[in-house]
Formats: sequence, structure tokens, C-alpha cells
Amino acid sequence: DQQVKQNSPSLSVQEGRISILNCDYTNSMFDYFLWYKKYPAEGPTFLISISSIKDKNEDGRFTVFLNKSAKHLSLHIVPSQPGDSAVYFCAAHGYNNNDMRFGAGTRLTVKP
Amino acid sequence: KAGVTQTPRYLIKTRGQQVTLSCSPISGHRSVSWYQQTPGQGLQFLFEYFSETQRNKGNFPGRFSGRQFSNSRSEMNVSTLELGDSALYLCASSSGNSGGSDTQYFGPGTRLTVL
Repeated sequence: DQQVKQNSPSLSVQEGRISILNCDYTNSMFDYFLWYKKYPAEGPTFLISISSIKDKNEDGRFTVFLNKSAKHLSLHIVPSQPGDSAVYFCAAHGYNNNDMRFGAGTRLTVKP
Repeated sequence: KAGVTQTPRYLIKTRGQQVTLSCSPISGHRSVSWYQQTPGQGLQFLFEYFSETQRNKGNFPGRFSGRQFSNSRSEMNVSTLELGDSALYLCASSSGNSGGSDTQYFGPGTRLTVL
């Protein structure tokens, strides 16, 4: 079952504009939410995370927003840069950390 | 600190064969998780090992198995390979401790092609 869903397989934005990547989840037991970035021929790399007790976490150009009532989170990249072009995976896990689930990924293309 | 390493990086097998993939976690990490990535399917969770025990398992057939050694290194085995097993297999390590955000660090993956 797909407990974490990324409904947009791809997104294209202009350099300097905002990129918004969305993710929905179904399991109310998830406590932590993470975003990973993946370049071709490499493993995913951790980008940013948020705990379920928060609704926003910011790290430089990257901000993750969590709406628990809607079971929705989003990743904002401002300003977007061509080097941000990659596949972004949303992930979530519960308290025990042994049940990480990933979304299908969204391919972001940032055009110069 | 060395990252997660996976061997081999590329593998070509034929249907019916079996394959073993290896993963060495980051030093000090006790949890190793395995994922299968295919186009359009994202990362599908296979299983997770912690202290040599399988703690969690995804929805894959019994042909997919794994184990973890006392040094936390892990192996994944796929028997009776099928064409649909062609994928990138990723291994991720983490501390495995409960009660907090436990970031997983991924290896580069093993690209398996089944002919």
C-alpha cells in the first residue's frame, strides 16, 4: 500500500522562481517526515526533515511545511537553481524509525 | 567518516539465477534498510535489519531475503530471478535508535539487470 504519495511525477520551474513539491500521507502514526534528493546514478541524499510537532522547518533555501490535519507536506525551494534539478522523494516514519516509507518521487527541472 | 558502500555497482544476470548484493553501513550505524527502485515506483521498502535481526519487512515475495552480520554489514539475496527484478537496489544505514528523527544515509545502489 502506498502510504506516502507524491502525485506529481514532474515539475518544471524557471531559475529564480519558487519550486513547490507536494506530498500526502495516509498513516497517522508517522512522526517524522523527510525530503531526499536524488541525482542519476547516485543514492538519495538527505535534504531536510520535520517532526510532527512542528508545522515548518527552514534550512537556507529549503523550507518544509507540514499540515497534519490534511496529512500533507510540501517542500519549498526559493530561489530555485539549475543545480536543484533532481528527483525529490518524500519519506516518513514513525516513532520506532524502522518503518520508513517513501513516495514515488517528483522530478524537478529548473530551467536557466 | 566513510559513507555507505554497496557492491557490486552493476550486475547482469539471467532469469532463474540468484544474486547476492552487499552493503557496508556507515561506521556506528546499526540499522540497514534495503529498497528497490524502479521507474515510476519510487523506493519500495524491502526490509530493515537492526542488530542482526530483521525488524521490519515490506511486501515482497519470499524470493527476496537478507541478513546482517555482527559488524552491521548486510547482504540481500534474490533467488529465481525474474525479468521484473531488474531495478536499482539501494541500501541505507542509520543509527536505528527509536524516538527521534533517524536520517537514513544511502549508498550509490546496485543496478541489477535480468535478461
